[in-house]
Amino acid sequence: ETGVTQSPTHLIKTRGQQVTLRCSSQSGHNTVSWYQQALGQGPQFIFQYYREEENGRGNFPPRFSGLQFPNYSSELNVNALELDDSALYLCASSPGVFEKLFFGSGTQLSVL
Amino acid sequence: KQEVTQIPAALSVPEGENLVLNCSFTDSAIYNLQWFRQDPGKGLTSLLLIQSSQREQTSGRLNASLDKSSGRSTLYIAASQPGDSATYLCAVGAGGFKTIFGAGTRLFVKA
Repeated sequence: ETGVTQSPTHLIKTRGQQVTLRCSSQSGHNTVSWYQQALGQGPQFIFQYYREEENGRGNFPPRFSGLQFPNYSSELNVNALELDDSALYLCASSPGVFEKLFFGSGTQLSVL
Repeated sequence: KQEVTQIPAALSVPEGENLVLNCSFTDSAIYNLQWFRQDPGKGLTSLLLIQSSQREQTSGRLNASLDKSSGRSTLYIAASQPGDSATYLCAVGAGGFKTIFGAGTRLFVKA
């Protein structure tokens, strides 16, 4: 157990809709990062938050956005869903930037 | 642009064999390198973290090395067991506070 929980575990949405995925980090971890993992591929870095500020972003469009809250929870929001957004979304928390990552079990998103 | 490559993509070995998984990266300006294990449909479990100033880390039957100058890391698994069957991923901490993953090596250990 990593102490990182994600909700929901599975989600089905329709193209064009909006979705919010949630992550609860380990207590004391002030860094959270989000990843998209397509089937058979490695996770792709979406962005990282440190002390509630975004401090790193991968090659994802602005319709992917996030928030980090003082209570060690965070959100990933995706607007205008596309079929290619279907993937496993993972969050990871760490005590600080570039320290050991602790992953949640992920949210499997299907866009129809 | 940092790229991470893992070879081989898949590997099948008999139980008890020692094995080496390879990871290469194109830009040597990294902060750290981590090895993870992922079981099907699950999240990732961190196995070893090597900071950029370190050359290797060991945990039980696992040993990971890092050679920044050549852009390579290896994960050595001793005396493999069927329970080691999983996908193994390496990731580098790169500029812009990004973590870049390879595509992974799928390992199957036969009993």
